[in-house]
Amino acid sequence: DTGVSQDPRHKITKRGQNVTFRCDPISEHNRLYWYRQTLGQGPEFLTYFQNEAQLEKSRLLSDRFSAERPKGSFSTLEIQRTEQGDSAMYLCASSLWGSNYNQPQHFGDGTRLSIL
Amino acid sequence: DAKTTQPNSMESNEEEPVHLPCNHSTISGTDYIHWYRQLPSQGPEYVIHGLTSNVNNRMASLAIAEDRKSSTLILHRATLRDAAVYYCILTTDPTSGTYKYIFGTGTRLKVLA
Repeated sequence: DTGVSQDPRHKITKRGQNVTFRCDPISEHNRLYWYRQTLGQGPEFLTYFQNEAQLEKSRLLSDRFSAERPKGSFSTLEIQRTEQGDSAMYLCASSLWGSNYNQPQHFGDGTRLSIL
Repeated sequence: DAKTTQPNSMESNEEEPVHLPCNHSTISGTDYIHWYRQLPSQGPEYVIHGLTSNVNNRMASLAIAEDRKSSTLILHRATLRDAAVYYCILTTDPTSGTYKYIFGTGTRLKVLA
């Protein structure tokens, strides 16, 4: 079990630029979640996938945000035309879900985004 | 989504037991109680979860009130490495739906040497 890995760990960019983050879940996990965490707050749900299907998006996920999980493996989260308010830690989590069970989510250590 | 209420901060001495409370008065019959903790610059780490009965694992114990409107995470002997923000989270039936986590602001635990 190599855990959930996220890349990069830190990203600094200028306002208006596009950024993309990657998440590699635990290999057998079929569910993948994205959360956003700002300083002093708990993580907030953004979206989740079951295999390659994106099943729910939070209203926090504006149209500048897009997430994909091609082939149901790794996932990417892209933010277009970044704004100051996008500065946050972006966390990825994965879990193993079945019709009669759902294991707790395992989190990566996040990508910290700073907008200059 | 059902909400939880936790104290903002707590302190404990090293090697003493710690009881972290959580109130969830609007919990429904199918809600599970999860506890996670988060160290600085790391993602949340799973600690324990339960539905009705008390639960024990190598990290901690979870005591759930008979009416399920509150629960307590018990760290039996606090160490300096236990200093973290602890989140109590309610999740709906994990075999259906999104099963997304709704985090509050958690309890910041400070462990004194």
